[in-house]
Amino acid sequence: GAVVSQHPSWVICKSGTSVKIECRSLDFQATTMFWYRQFPKQSLMLMATSNEGSKATYEQGVEKDKFLINHASLTLSTLTVTSAHPEDSSFYICSARDGRTQNEQYFGPGTRLTVT
Amino acid sequence: DAKTTQPPSMDCAEGRAANLPCNHSTISGNEYVYWYRQIHSQGPQYIIHGLKNNETNEMASLIITEDRKSSTLILPHATLRDTAVYYCIVRARPGYNQGGKLIFGQGTELSVKP
Repeated sequence: GAVVSQHPSWVICKSGTSVKIECRSLDFQATTMFWYRQFPKQSLMLMATSNEGSKATYEQGVEKDKFLINHASLTLSTLTVTSAHPEDSSFYICSARDGRTQNEQYFGPGTRLTVT
Repeated sequence: DAKTTQPPSMDCAEGRAANLPCNHSTISGNEYVYWYRQIHSQGPQYIIHGLKNNETNEMASLIITEDRKSSTLILPHATLRDTAVYYCIVRARPGYNQGGKLIFGQGTELSVKP
């Protein structure tokens, strides 16, 4: 099956700093990518949807100025958590939709962010 | 997207079939039923999807009722590695808003026991 990678797999940062997480589709072109957040013992929560070359669409309650999303190519999307705080500590998961079929959607392995 | 209802947890003996139910009574004609699973601290893994016919692949079988208001995911011979949270999601088919978004509910936590 198709592969989606994320980097880094885990990161620890200090409060007030910014952290960038990369999401890549390795063997297919992803016209649409999605970013999710998951707190312990909870389900995945969709944060935003991004289409290549255009601005991301954020879900209600997600601060677009805090969670910056860039989808500059068909294989790469980045999520930058700006001015991170301890409450931003979470498991961040990206997902990519295959541009050919528009039906298949694959998930990355996730990035564990801890803000101290 | 239509909502789904799943039992919060289930147990299954190793080697036996695991039958995971899902109710989606408000599903509309342009929506598929998708199943994903998430093993602890990993990203979700696609299992199977269907529209109205039963589907089978190397991982599982999907049985959808004739009225499409419910479905069952069947793992024919569960192993310890199948222990995970299983999510049933209803999503619009391609061509309708590019297939819509995958919105996760609480899922069913399946524990396969030796």
